[in-house]
Amino acid sequence: EAGVTQFPSHSVIEKGQTVTLRCDPISGHDNLYWYRRVMGKEIKFLLHFVKESKQDESGMPNNRFLAERTGGTYSTLKVQPAELEDSGVYFCASSPISSGQGYTFGSGTRLTVV
Amino acid sequence: TQLLEQSPQFLSIQEGENLTVYCNSSSVFSSLQWYRQEPGEGPVLLVTVVTGGEVKKLKRLTFQFGDARKDSSLHITAAQPGDTGLYLCAGGRAGRGSQGNLIFGKGTKLSVKP
Repeated sequence: EAGVTQFPSHSVIEKGQTVTLRCDPISGHDNLYWYRRVMGKEIKFLLHFVKESKQDESGMPNNRFLAERTGGTYSTLKVQPAELEDSGVYFCASSPISSGQGYTFGSGTRLTVV
Repeated sequence: TQLLEQSPQFLSIQEGENLTVYCNSSSVFSSLQWYRQEPGEGPVLLVTVVTGGEVKKLKRLTFQFGDARKDSSLHITAAQPGDTGLYLCAGGRAGRGSQGNLIFGKGTKLSVKP
């Protein structure tokens, strides 16, 4: 089966611009998660979708970040306007509905804000 | 705030040696997952442990969850160059609505020299 796909793999934008990251989970996985790793820090949770609903968005840094999952399939994470501290690697992961057994991660999007 | 302290941060050993990586917290977790990450890729799940005192073996890798579900260890026997990579522990939070929210350690960067 295809894994979790993230696009783009890299993005370099200027401060103040907008960037949209996309994640395609494994087909049939109802749970979709976004995580972020800022340089030198641990991977941190951003939010969790169950199908199209936001189950937990307690990790979202501020209102410049907007995540959507229309139709319960792919998800987008928009950063508007981007700030320097938003630079990092953004990971998406998915799991089946009843899984507490671990997730399948995508390769990540490396975002650099200059 | 729940934290997972992972040690050591870096480990460089010769092929054939044994090693142990530790993951400690003052908080109780519902599960503990170990991942391995290669450069440019997302974390790949190795194992999930859910019961206090549980021990799981994956070839030369042995994973243990502490009795109190606050700590875990990864032991590699007779390390090989192919074991080189970043090892991450991640704790699953207890409680409804937050089970998708993993707390990650900062990782242990392992280098096994031939």
